[in-house]
Amino acid sequence: DAKTTQPTSMDCAEGRAANLPCNHSTISGNEYVYWYRQIHSQGPQYIIHGLKNNETNEMASLIITEDRKSSTLILPHATLRDTAVYYCIVRLYSGNTGKLIFGQGTTLQVKP
Amino acid sequence: DAGVIQSPRHEVTEMGQEVTLRCKPISGHDYLFWYRQTMMRGLELLIYFNNNVPIDDSGMPEDRFSAKMPNASFSTLKIQPSEPRDSAVYFCASSQGGSLNTGELFFGEGSRLTVL
Repeated sequence: DAKTTQPTSMDCAEGRAANLPCNHSTISGNEYVYWYRQIHSQGPQYIIHGLKNNETNEMASLIITEDRKSSTLILPHATLRDTAVYYCIVRLYSGNTGKLIFGQGTTLQVKP
Repeated sequence: DAGVIQSPRHEVTEMGQEVTLRCKPISGHDYLFWYRQTMMRGLELLIYFNNNVPIDDSGMPEDRFSAKMPNASFSTLKIQPSEPRDSAVYFCASSQGGSLNTGELFFGEGSRLTVL
């Protein structure tokens, strides 16, 4: 699986959009971008994933650049409960491959 | 759905003792994963199963660690003998495979192990 690079930490004001970047310059054509987050002391939680089109769900939006070398996770209206470590992961999308390899992630601190 | 259930939530033991961590995956999920998390090394994949069969155990640190999945609804991670450096939070996760495999893993709340 391709390697990802994320900033170690970021701050965001409550109510504002949080934009979390991720670089994955070695991504291959059949690899997807996944985002998970881990709130303190809890297990990681799936947020969203995508291949090349932008994706949106009730939690967040995922913007993937046209060359697929980077992506941005957007939390449109961050709340204090969004304070967490956010992991960007690249993996093959396959019915026969399940594992996810987590990096160090970005610690997002949402401030009042 | 009850989600992934892990037990015990907290375990404190002495060096040399055997430790058994337990996991009940979500019903219908055919993948089960064991992860370990420490401050120094982050989240590490130890082993994962598909249809109760171990697929990749390359993350298991050494022979002191063993994992089993005797049936689709139960898995154990055993450490024998335990050492202080095994202190960590151990997470179990499950997911669906085949055409329903979206890459979404569902994690339990973790078992915090402290080895004195």
